[in-house]
Amino acid sequence: AAGVIQSPRHLIKEKRETATLKCYPIPRHDTVYWYQQGPGQDPQFLISFYEKMQSDKGSIPDRFSAQQFSDYHSELNMSSLELGDSALYFCASSLRGDFSYEQYFGPGTRLTVT
Amino acid sequence: DQQVKQNSPSLSVQEGRISILNCDYTNSMFDYFLWYKKYPAEGPTFLISISSIKDKNEDGRFTVFLNKSAKHLSLHIVPSQPGDSAVYFCASSGSARQLTFGSGTQLTVLP
Repeated sequence: AAGVIQSPRHLIKEKRETATLKCYPIPRHDTVYWYQQGPGQDPQFLISFYEKMQSDKGSIPDRFSAQQFSDYHSELNMSSLELGDSALYFCASSLRGDFSYEQYFGPGTRLTVT
Repeated sequence: DQQVKQNSPSLSVQEGRISILNCDYTNSMFDYFLWYKKYPAEGPTFLISISSIKDKNEDGRFTVFLNKSAKHLSLHIVPSQPGDSAVYFCASSGSARQLTFGSGTQLTVLP
């Protein structure tokens, strides 16, 4: 079965640079979630989109923005990168219209800021 | 203030025996609970979930129990297999659907 696809899998950037992470949800899923997992930490919710509209916002810095496109894929844009942004970034998708709470995660993008 | 707590960072179990992973939560607005399994360098894999209107859900070797009055849930794996060795995250969800994760428990199943 098709899973959530994230690209790139690894990304190395320097401080103050920008980065764009992409997420392709499971086909038919209408909701995308972004999570950040720092070293030794549990995943923290950043932001979510339902039917291309921002749904909820968590601990996402103002330097980050995201959107969901007409084909339901989502992009997380990160500017003025800081060393502390180094983390695993997970995207998850779900079918909210099915009243489902289960979220299915992609393999993650490992961002390293040097 | 951590709303979902997994107090055991690690657990070792002999192959064939039962693994019991525990999770506590503080937010009474949570109404759906999920368990995820995670290998290094991979995303969390959904295992099993339970709604707050139930106290037990079973799927093969995995059973989740929910005690709402104690704000406690547990995941039972019977029989445990070496392939079950991974980090297990408990997660909770409310009306906003975003997941709040515990800090995880590293399960090691010894052959």
